[in-house]
Amino acid sequence: NAGVIQTPRHKVTGKGQEATLWCEPISGHSAVFWYRQTIVQGLEFLTYFRNQAPIDDSGMPKERFSAQMPNQSHSTLKIQSTQPQDSAVYLCASSLDETGEDTQYFGPGTRLLVL
Amino acid sequence: GQGVEQPDNLMSVEGTFARVNCTYSTSGFNGLSWYQQREGHAPVFLSYVVLDGLKDSGHFSTFLSRSNGYSYLLLTELQIKDSASYLCAVRWPNYNVLYFGSGTKLTVEP
Repeated sequence: NAGVIQTPRHKVTGKGQEATLWCEPISGHSAVFWYRQTIVQGLEFLTYFRNQAPIDDSGMPKERFSAQMPNQSHSTLKIQSTQPQDSAVYLCASSLDETGEDTQYFGPGTRLLVL
Repeated sequence: GQGVEQPDNLMSVEGTFARVNCTYSTSGFNGLSWYQQREGHAPVFLSYVVLDGLKDSGHFSTFLSRSNGYSYLLLTELQIKDSASYLCAVRWPNYNVLYFGSGTKLTVEP
């Protein structure tokens, strides 16, 4: 079990460019979560998929951010027209999506730097 | 988010213990998880609690008081390698989304 895989591990973009981040959840996990971590804001929820369907995107900035899960083996987070304030570590997590205890396992994150 | 609060820093001495506190808004509470995060690495799951009382897991124990909106993570027989950030995350009934505190950076000194 390779755990949650995220690529790339580091990405540098210029202001106004697009950034696409990839996540491969643990095989057999039906829930995928995206979070963003900064020193100032801490770890913030962005969006959540269950069986590839978008369930809750209440944490996503309304403009420029979008997420998809085209198949059970990967999800993408896309940021259009990146801004310096988008610089953060973007973490993907997956879980079995069970009632009761439902442990989320995190990937190593993608560190995004917008210059 | 969701009123999850943790102290920023905590220092303790090798061989002793450390208690990391977490408070949260009680409305709609549906479980609390503790994660350890080392610098530059992903959070690693430690424990999940949903019932009141102390849950002993050896090196790590967790306590929960639902009526008071309070939990703590207790680390015993501290080692230098326990130095890390410890994150408290609360789950509300809107599915399984976690709302994290800002984390407590624990420094264990010799």
